[in-house]
Parts: sequence; C-alpha cells; structure tokens
Amino acid sequence: AQSVTQLGSHVSVSEGALVLLRCNYSSSVPPYLFWYVQYPNQGLQLLLKYTSAATLVKGINGFEAEFKKSETSFHLTKPSAHMSDAAEYFCAASGTYKYIFGTGTRLKVLA
Amino acid sequence: KAGVTQTPRYLIKTRGQQVTLSCSPISGHRSVSWYQQTPGQGLQFLFEYFSETQRNKGNFPGRFSGRQFSNSRSEMNVSTLELGDSALYLCASRAGTSGGATDTQYFGPGTRLTVL
Repeated sequence: AQSVTQLGSHVSVSEGALVLLRCNYSSSVPPYLFWYVQYPNQGLQLLLKYTSAATLVKGINGFEAEFKKSETSFHLTKPSAHMSDAAEYFCAASGTYKYIFGTGTRLKVLA
Repeated sequence: KAGVTQTPRYLIKTRGQQVTLSCSPISGHRSVSWYQQTPGQGLQFLFEYFSETQRNKGNFPGRFSGRQFSNSRSEMNVSTLELGDSALYLCASRAGTSGGATDTQYFGPGTRLTVL
C-alpha cells in the first residue's frame, strides 16, 4: 500500500537560509508525487508535481524537488527562505483514483 | 478559469444536527474529492466522485455521505453531528479522466465547520 512520510512536523529556518522539507514515499511502483502549500485559513495550493518526465522538478515561488528512486524520496528545497514562505507544506502521492497525503510540515521563517 | 468554490465558508452547528456542504469544481473537471482536515489527524480522504458515481471512499462512518450532480457539482452531508466532526472540510477537483490520479487536484478554500 502506498504511504507518504514527512519527517519533521515543524521546521524553523532563518530568512535567507536553505529550506529543506523531507518526504519519503512507499510504493511498489514509482507514484506520481506532489507538493502542496497551505496558508492559514486557505485551501491547498500546488507547488510542483513529479510525473516521471524529469527527476528535478521546478515549481512556483522558487521551490524545487528532486525525485530519488533509490531513496524513495521527494524532498522539497528552496535556496533562500522568505518570510512569505511561512506556511504548512504537504507531500502527496497519487495512485488509482486516490491521493495520499503526508501529515504536513509547518515551516517557520525567523527574521 | 474560475477555481474551486465551496459554500458556506464557515458553519456553526450543534451536536445531533446535520449539515450539507457544497462544492463547485473547475469547469470541465469531472472528479471531486472531499477531505477532512483536523490538527490531530491531518488531511484525511473522505470520498471521490466521478461522473455522479462514488469511485473511492475513505475510512469514515456512514454518517458521512456525498453525491455528485450531472454538472459535476458535489455535496457532502454529515448527519448526527459529533463534537469530533469540527474540522476544515476541503473539496478538490481534477479532470479525472485518467485511471490513475496523474492529473493535478485543485483545492477550494474549505468550509470551516464548528460543532458545539
């Protein structure tokens, strides 16, 4: 069965520092993978998605993620954090008719 | 294109009552999924509808039900509300024509349900 694990429910970084949010998936076949961001009192917004075309995926707001099959990982990174990046981030994997979400990582950006 | 819309945005009910939430998907999208989001449980999948048929269902009691209309709009109903049903209910739509969920889900802003 597919599952998605996000390591670290809370991550704090200084403004201008590297952002690294971790996501590991479990699947017998490479799934389609997504990162979403949720700002307070809002729905989820797609940041980027992996659909096997390229292992390094670039998304909106300067975020990117790299699919590593050998590590079953799809970590999200951004070279330099902005205060506006403070939000909750969800990794998701899709299978037949169904999405599975990780438990989310709340990112805090320190001035 | 207009995004996914959900109504109402906020709702307060008392235990034992029932509630109906509405979701209008992006034009052309035939799949609508519902999720419950709580601080303790995170995002949990409720069900997905495609062309008026429930295509998948999560592990929720029968008090949670849904339906989809011919114009792809969807409603979710919760009967006999419990305190634990207080949550943000999110609706998401996608084209849905692929058997696997390769197409992107687009989320609405959610309905915040508070049960007193």
